[in-house]
Amino acid sequence: LAKTTQPISMDSYEGQEVNITCSHNNIATNDYITWYQQFPSQGPRFIIQGYKTKVTNEVASLFIPADRKSSTLSLPRVSLSDTAVYYCLVGALSYNTDKLIFGTGTRLQVFP
Amino acid sequence: ETGVTQTPRHLVMGMTNKKSLKCEQHLGHNAMYWYKQSAKKPLELMFVYNFKEQTENNSVPSRFSPECPNSSHLFLHLHTLQPEDSALYLCASREIGTRDYNEQFFGPGTRLTVL
Repeated sequence: LAKTTQPISMDSYEGQEVNITCSHNNIATNDYITWYQQFPSQGPRFIIQGYKTKVTNEVASLFIPADRKSSTLSLPRVSLSDTAVYYCLVGALSYNTDKLIFGTGTRLQVFP
Repeated sequence: ETGVTQTPRHLVMGMTNKKSLKCEQHLGHNAMYWYKQSAKKPLELMFVYNFKEQTENNSVPSRFSPECPNSSHLFLHLHTLQPEDSALYLCASREIGTRDYNEQFFGPGTRLTVL
């Protein structure tokens, strides 16, 4: 399973765009890049997943360069409620693979 | 609401007690997971069940015993725990074979304190 590296913490202010970058130099051909969000004392919540280029949903965008060795989660116009820990994961759950490895994540603090 | 419920939400137990954590998923999924999250540590995968069969035991001590009687229910039986087992225990489920390969649905967790 590919190891990921992301910043331990980030600060932002309401209304700003936040970009969290994750590096995954050993990503495998079949791996997807997935981001989860976790609020205190709650389970993680799936945000977005991508394989290459750009993926966008109602919550975030995910940018993946051609070499796929890194990815950037972009949160547009954050609010106080976006204060959470964000996890970058690399892998591919399938019939034969059940493991996803959660790292320490990036703790995002949004200030008013 | 994620469709995954866990009970109890909070549990305090002594080291000699026996207790069980319960997880139920209402999503029709066919894989269920137990994770442990200690303070300041990443989530640790404990057990995985695919189609009610245990497929992963991530070197978990025998004082933790999982049970999956059907595809909707998952239990974690606890006995003679240690104070260092105090943590948030999370249950998750997923549908094997869906397009969003890495999407797991997590419950709210059980906050366990071992005295």
